[in-house]
Order: sequence, then C-alpha cells, then structure tokens
Amino acid sequence: DTEVTQTPKHLVMGMTNKKSLKCEQHMGHRAMYWYKQKAKKPPELMFVYSYEKLSINESVPSRFSPECPNSSLLNLHLHALQPEDSALYLCASSQVGLAGLENNEQFFGPGTRLTVL
Amino acid sequence: GESVGLHLPTLSVQEGDNSIINCAYSNSASDYFIWYKQESGKGPQFIIDIRSNMDKRQGQRVTVLLNKTVKHLSLQIAATQPGDSAVYFCAENAGGTSYGKLTFGQGTILTVHP
Repeated sequence: DTEVTQTPKHLVMGMTNKKSLKCEQHMGHRAMYWYKQKAKKPPELMFVYSYEKLSINESVPSRFSPECPNSSLLNLHLHALQPEDSALYLCASSQVGLAGLENNEQFFGPGTRLTVL
Repeated sequence: GESVGLHLPTLSVQEGDNSIINCAYSNSASDYFIWYKQESGKGPQFIIDIRSNMDKRQGQRVTVLLNKTVKHLSLQIAATQPGDSAVYFCAENAGGTSYGKLTFGQGTILTVHP
C-alpha cells in the first residue's frame, strides 16, 4: 500500500464547531505532516510528527490541535476556526532516516477541502 | 531567509515538445530538492528529487538539473503529454534543525495543448 488517505474529502463547519480531520498511511512511515494550502498557493507546513512525537510546530494557532495516536494515524482537531482558515489541508508521510528526518520523499494524501462559514 | 521561487508562473507547450520549468532558491544551506506535480483536486505527487551532492538526475521522461553556483533548479519533461498538464512545485529542505521541513516554491502552471 503506497497511499496516504484522508477523510473527509470535504468539510463545511461553522466558527463554533469542533471537527477533526483524519489521515492514515500503511507504508511504515514514522514521520507524518500537516500542510495548509490556499487556492493558487503552495502548501505551507503546519506540523511534523516523528515517531509519534511532535517535532515541528510552525507557530500554528492553538485552534488547530494535532494528534498522532499511533504510527499509522494522524489527526487534526479543529475548534473555533475563522473563515480565513478555509483551505485544502494536506497530510503527508515519509520515512525517517538514521540521522533523524533527513531528506526523504514525502508522500501526500488528496487533502481535505475545508470551508469555514 | 529561505525562499524558493519560480521564474515563469505559466508555461504552454504543444504535445510532444520538451518542457523546462525553472526554480530559484535563496538558501545556500539547502541540500535536498524535490519536484512535485499537483493536478486539480489532488495532493502533490512526487516526480523526482535530487541531493546537493549531485547536479543532474534522470527519471522516466524527466530530468532535474541543479546548479548550486547560481542556486537554480530546473525540471525537464521530454515529449510532454496532455496528462502532464498540472501545477509543478519545487521544494527544498535545508537539513539540520529543518529536517522534514519542506519549503515550496510558488508553482508553475503547465498547459499542454494536443
């Protein structure tokens, strides 16, 4: 299995809602990532998990809360979002080398299209 | 600071032509580069990567060239096909404490006309 899957594909939520995005991979990768991509813009890194521990947080607002319950799953919990948070949220995974994350190919999922009303 | 940019935001070619997409980067510490293809409604798809100890790498119909002297990266697609139409992003990683952190360029829209 060389796929990263994400659910749901589309999500519409109000500013007071709580929702979660889910990501799953079965490639044995021990690094997983969340990216945010606005329309006509490149992906921007939000979080990196390595061996189920948060290793990079790119100063993301606390209304985004990541969670890595095991080596195959990555969640992004959403609460009190703003309309400007509407975007495509991408999950990715990669191998971890002997020296750490190193420079390894990141495999991306199809993304969740989030709309905040 | 780190930045990865592209010279041409759009590129239109005829089917069968060769395509060249360029990318400039400013972080001289960058030691790993990837080209991704993103089709509408999909996540980025890996095309090819190159490490800083190389200046050329070839894949199936694609070649990546790295010129560290001028901090320039290019993707060459041979015999471009309509299915190659997509947005192409270069991405770089500076290693060190930035392991795992990819910084993407702005993207080039490639349109292939039959």
